[in-house]
This record gives sequence, C-alpha cells and structure tokens, in this order.
Amino acid sequence: AQTVTQSQPEMSVQEAETVTLSCTYDTSESDYYLFWYKQPPSRQMILVIRQEAYKQQNATENRFSVNFQKAAKSFSLKISDSQLGDAAMYFCAYRSAEKLTFGTGTRLTIIP
Amino acid sequence: GAVVSQHPSWVICKSGTSVKIECRSLDFQATTMFWYRQFPKQSLMLMATSNEGSKATYEQGVEKDKFLINHASLTLSTLTVTSAHPEDSSFYICSARVGWYQETQYFGPGTRLLVL
Repeated sequence: AQTVTQSQPEMSVQEAETVTLSCTYDTSESDYYLFWYKQPPSRQMILVIRQEAYKQQNATENRFSVNFQKAAKSFSLKISDSQLGDAAMYFCAYRSAEKLTFGTGTRLTIIP
Repeated sequence: GAVVSQHPSWVICKSGTSVKIECRSLDFQATTMFWYRQFPKQSLMLMATSNEGSKATYEQGVEKDKFLINHASLTLSTLTVTSAHPEDSSFYICSARVGWYQETQYFGPGTRLLVL
C-alpha cells in the first residue's frame, strides 16, 4: 500500500520569507501523480500544485514550486514570499489509479 | 473553475436518526465521486468511491450499510449516515473528478455532522 509521510506537523515562517514543507512517499508504481493541497480554517481543500511522475521538470505555480526527487521518493513544497493568506494546513497527496492518499498534514503559521 | 458544493454545511441530529449529505458538481459532469471523513486535526480518510450508475466501492473498515452512497447522476452523489451515533460525528468531505485518474479531483467545502 502506498504511504505518504509528512514529518513536520507544524512550521512557521516570517511574512515575505520562504518556507519548504517536506513530503516523502512509498510506492512500487512507476506512473503516479503527486499533489499539494491547502486546507485553510474554512476547511475547503484547495489544490496548490500537482506533479506528474513521468515529468522530470518540477512544477511551479506562481509563488509555489516543488522539488520532486523521484528516486528518493521525495516531493517538497516551497512557498516563496509567504503571505498571511498562506496560513493553513498543507497536505501532500499521492495518486495512482483511483485512490488519493493523503499525508498527515503540516500546519503552516505565518508570522507578521 | 470546477466547483463542488455540499449541502448541508452543518447538521446536528439526534442519535438513531439518519442524515443525508448531498454533493454536487456545479459546472462539470463528474464520472467519479469520492467521500472522505476527517476527524479534528487529522488527515482525510477515504471512505468510498462511486461511479455514476454503479455501486460504490467502500474502503476496508467502512460499513456499507451504515454509510449509504448513491451516485444517481453525473452531478449528484449522496451520503446517508444511517442510525447515526455520537461516534459518527465528524467532518465529511466529498470530491469529484472528470474522466480518468489523471484528472484533478475537486473538493467540496465539507459537512460538519454532530450527533447528540
């Protein structure tokens, strides 16, 4: 079974600074997808960024980028120029075939 | 963008009653819908997967007679918690996807259930 591990239960960063959230996963599949979702206090899950495993290039979305290391099974999220609105729970997720498997989450606090 | 709605957002019910939660894809047809459960300060746990017109596939440990899922159309799935008990109190989130697994899942805003 696939597992997703987020080893940082909580992180904090000064506003305008950069922070990196870690995620590792375990799988025997070669074709899969990785995601970072954000869950703010409203609890609405919001897709931040996705990465296809067959793509070597790291995905970027504005201030959000990933460092995808397929051999190491690592998928970290970098948030640049952190903003107050980035404060949320961040979940790393893995999917192959039907099921989306979530990590335990990292709570990100932005310090003004 | 793709929008998924859930109704109700909040429900309080007495122990022993049944509660129905609706999940709708508002601007796209969802071939597959998913139901998750999230306890406070925990991650999302998949309960079941449903394809339109087919019976839902439940995850191990999820009672299919307790959590009835109906995916009657490409835009509507319902989760009915039958004979609810306090331990069923949780946050229930639905998600919808178009097409194959390559496609992104879009999440509803969730429904908070409190069973007294």
